[in-house]
Amino acid sequence: NAGVTQTPKFQVLKTGQSMTLQCAQDMNHEYMSWYRQDPGMGLRLIHYSVGAGITDQGEVPNGYNVSRSTTEDFPLRLLSAAPSQTSVYFCASSYSPVLEQFFGPGTRLTVL
Amino acid sequence: AQKVTQAQTEISVVEKEDVTLDCVYETRDTTYYLFWYKQPPSGELVFLIRRNSFDEQNEISGRYSWNFQKSTSSFNFTITASQVVDSAVYFCALSEALFSGGYNKLIFGAGTRLAVHP
Repeated sequence: NAGVTQTPKFQVLKTGQSMTLQCAQDMNHEYMSWYRQDPGMGLRLIHYSVGAGITDQGEVPNGYNVSRSTTEDFPLRLLSAAPSQTSVYFCASSYSPVLEQFFGPGTRLTVL
Repeated sequence: AQKVTQAQTEISVVEKEDVTLDCVYETRDTTYYLFWYKQPPSGELVFLIRRNSFDEQNEISGRYSWNFQKSTSSFNFTITASQVVDSAVYFCALSEALFSGGYNKLIFGAGTRLAVHP
């Protein structure tokens, strides 16, 4: 099993550009989520999904969109990048809402 | 509000010393879950342990041990005989049920950076 994979590993954007961060898992997990990690703040939830076709907002959703057309994939879209979105982004999946979440390797995004 | 506090921002020890990382949480829920994750310099997040609120037994896994005390809302992590490979950022997290959607989000503490020197 590859577990949770994320692409790209690094990305530099200019303010106003849009892009999609890819996330895929091969563990057949229903629950998937996106977090961002900023220095001194731990990780914060952006969006989550409890199954294909079902998504909802987390703690810091502004400026991001998600969709979940398949169980495996959960892409995160930045609509118009801003410097405040410079961060490390982690995708996670879990079998159950109360079990551990498995994290991908992260995407380091810089917005100039 | 649900909250996780890791008061120790950075800890520096010499190899073979024992070290305890503190975690204090706040929650109104009677059923909840606590986690510890390790983030080594390579950046990935590695799951270490999960504990539910009804199980206050301490847990030991090799050089790692965890002390869960509901009376003080603490879930502390001890590394015995630390090694250089233990150098990492360690996160404590609390699972909070989101009533819409049946999802439990993780509320993370700010993390404790542990440096183990030879």
